[in-house]
Amino acid sequence: DAGVTQSPTHLIKTRGQHVTLRCSPISGHKSVSWYQQVLGQGPQFIFQYYEKEERGRGNFPDRFSARQFPNYSSELNVNALLLGDSALYLCASSLAMSAGEDTQYFGPGTRLTVL
Amino acid sequence: QKEVEQNSGPLSVPEGAIASLNCTYSDRVSQSFFWYRQYSGKSPELIMSIYSNGDKEDGRFTAQLNKASQYVSLLIRDSQPSDSATYLCAPRDSGGYQKVTFGTGTKLQVIP
Repeated sequence: DAGVTQSPTHLIKTRGQHVTLRCSPISGHKSVSWYQQVLGQGPQFIFQYYEKEERGRGNFPDRFSARQFPNYSSELNVNALLLGDSALYLCASSLAMSAGEDTQYFGPGTRLTVL
Repeated sequence: QKEVEQNSGPLSVPEGAIASLNCTYSDRVSQSFFWYRQYSGKSPELIMSIYSNGDKEDGRFTAQLNKASQYVSLLIRDSQPSDSATYLCAPRDSGGYQKVTFGTGTKLQVIP
């Protein structure tokens, strides 16, 4: 079975630009979460989407937005990029919104560099 | 107080030894706990989950949970050089959704 897939693998942008990152969850998984991992830190939660609705939001500015499509894939959008947005962006999929022993599985990530 | 605290390391152990990784967390209501392994430049990989107090063993890995002390640990027996990575402790938030709060991770180095 295919795991979580993300595109693109790497991306270079300049300050002020906009970026869209994409994620396809494991087949049968309906929940997608996004995390940002800055070098030397653990991943930080940005959003969770389940059944196309936002179910959770971390402490990130409104420049960050996301959506989930009917096929459960998801996009993360970041506007007005700042140097500090340079990070590894991780997508994680899980079966349900949150249930018992349900577990998140991470994709390979998108490395964003803002110059 | 940080929500999830881990010693950043590096923790160096000789090949074949037991590596002990520790984690404390602040959310008293957390019910689900995960250990992820992350190789440099790669994404986190789930290696253990634990939901009840006590020990859970899976091959060379044993997770230990003490909810009263808000403490979770990971033991790696017969450590191998391929175990060299950063280990992330991640309690799932009690808010009813999938958010997990990661520690900064402990870097493990297994010396051949």
